[in-house]
Amino acid sequence: DGGITQSPKYLFRKEGQNVTLSCEQNLNHDAMYWYRQDPGQGLRLIYYSQIVNDFQKGDIAEGYSVSREKKESFPLTVTSAQKNPTAFYLCASRTHGSHQPQHFGDGTRLSIL
Amino acid sequence: EDKVVQSPLSLVVHEGDTVTLNCSYEVTNFRSLLWYKQEKKAPTFLFMLTSSGIEKKSGRLSSILDKKELFSILNITATQTGDSAIYLCAVEETSGSRLTFGEGTQLTVNP
Repeated sequence: DGGITQSPKYLFRKEGQNVTLSCEQNLNHDAMYWYRQDPGQGLRLIYYSQIVNDFQKGDIAEGYSVSREKKESFPLTVTSAQKNPTAFYLCASRTHGSHQPQHFGDGTRLSIL
Repeated sequence: EDKVVQSPLSLVVHEGDTVTLNCSYEVTNFRSLLWYKQEKKAPTFLFMLTSSGIEKKSGRLSSILDKKELFSILNITATQTGDSAIYLCAVEETSGSRLTFGEGTQLTVNP
């Protein structure tokens, strides 16, 4: 089945540790996105990529890094510089072309130990 | 800076009630407005609106956009417990590269 797969579903991070969240899609979508969702809040854009080997910062990029080496994959690293990483992280993708919505993965819930 | 404001932030109704969720926006170069439903995990796409005054409908859900007054509403008639979710509104710029989301409306439908 075509879709967006995020892993792991739950992740725990120790102080000072970097962790990487995986996002893979087999929809042949060009653009991919990472959002953060805090309780009672909407989604805030961390990074996005419209083509392979290119990505742009969103509204809250500090403390995060990404790569886009393959069309299907857009991993997000939460670095030790991100002081408040506990949140629900959602990956999305969409195809180019007018009026196409973004589709989302099931998310990764990150907590601090 | 683009801004999306949803109201109410939370709403509790009984099965069978009709609800109206609101979304107002400020965006420099508007392209479209989207509604999503989020139950526990992934937001699922409901509607994309690009033109004023044209109602989009899917079953008991409908939505309309007013580009002059910069708002949209999402209506749900004859609500069911399965409608309980967070409803997210987002706007897209003309570049088509990103969405700006509102805080969401938490809808609870009690039996």
